[in-house]
Amino acid sequence: QSTLAQPPSASGSPGQSVTISCTGTKIDIVSWYQHHPGKAPKLILYELSQVFKIPSGVPERFSGSKSGNTASLTISGLQTEDEADYYCTSNIGRDRWVFGTGTKITVL
Amino acid sequence: QVQLVESGGGVVQRGGSLRISCAASGITGRIAGTHWVRQAPGKGLEWVAFLRYDGSDKYYEDSVRGRFTMSRDSSKDTVYLEMNSLGAADTAVYFCAKDVGYYALWVWGQGTQVTVSS
Repeated sequence: QSTLAQPPSASGSPGQSVTISCTGTKIDIVSWYQHHPGKAPKLILYELSQVFKIPSGVPERFSGSKSGNTASLTISGLQTEDEADYYCTSNIGRDRWVFGTGTKITVL
Repeated sequence: QVQLVESGGGVVQRGGSLRISCAASGITGRIAGTHWVRQAPGKGLEWVAFLRYDGSDKYYEDSVRGRFTMSRDSSKDTVYLEMNSLGAADTAVYFCAKDVGYYALWVWGQGTQVTVSS
């Protein structure tokens, strides 16, 4: 069964950048989600023709990239409200989706 | 404004059944598939199932296939998840989410708690 591995945690001080990875044996079209516990998850990046796009209303300090079977999320200019859990997801073919294991971002 | 509201969660005995609902507003006219995603206590998000906007395709995660069934009532803009033979591993907050393109889950509800008791 396909899995997407993420580091369990990452941290940075306000204003710094933090990058988290998402690695799978099989990775296709990737999207990234921010989840504050107790709230609805939020789409922060989606992939269109190998380029990551930001949905309307999401700050531009979020960016993404992908190389081979690894996708990455970078938060530039970290802010206190960015402290949350982050998940990647990818479709596996046209009939399955899989979420990454999740990364807790702590703002120091 | 697009809004999703889940309902129907609760406590059910092991081996029992439950149907949860996802009512959508503000998305009428857009072609959107619907996902169910769950989060067990202390765990990460897990994709559960997907229903194409026209009901033509339904896909399920391996552990729920044969036990869970998605359906829709287009007149009510509501999608359902019928869950049978529930076990402890199905205890989770269940979120519905709309997919309007690019295999991404664009809009999410707040979730509904399903607890399977022994």
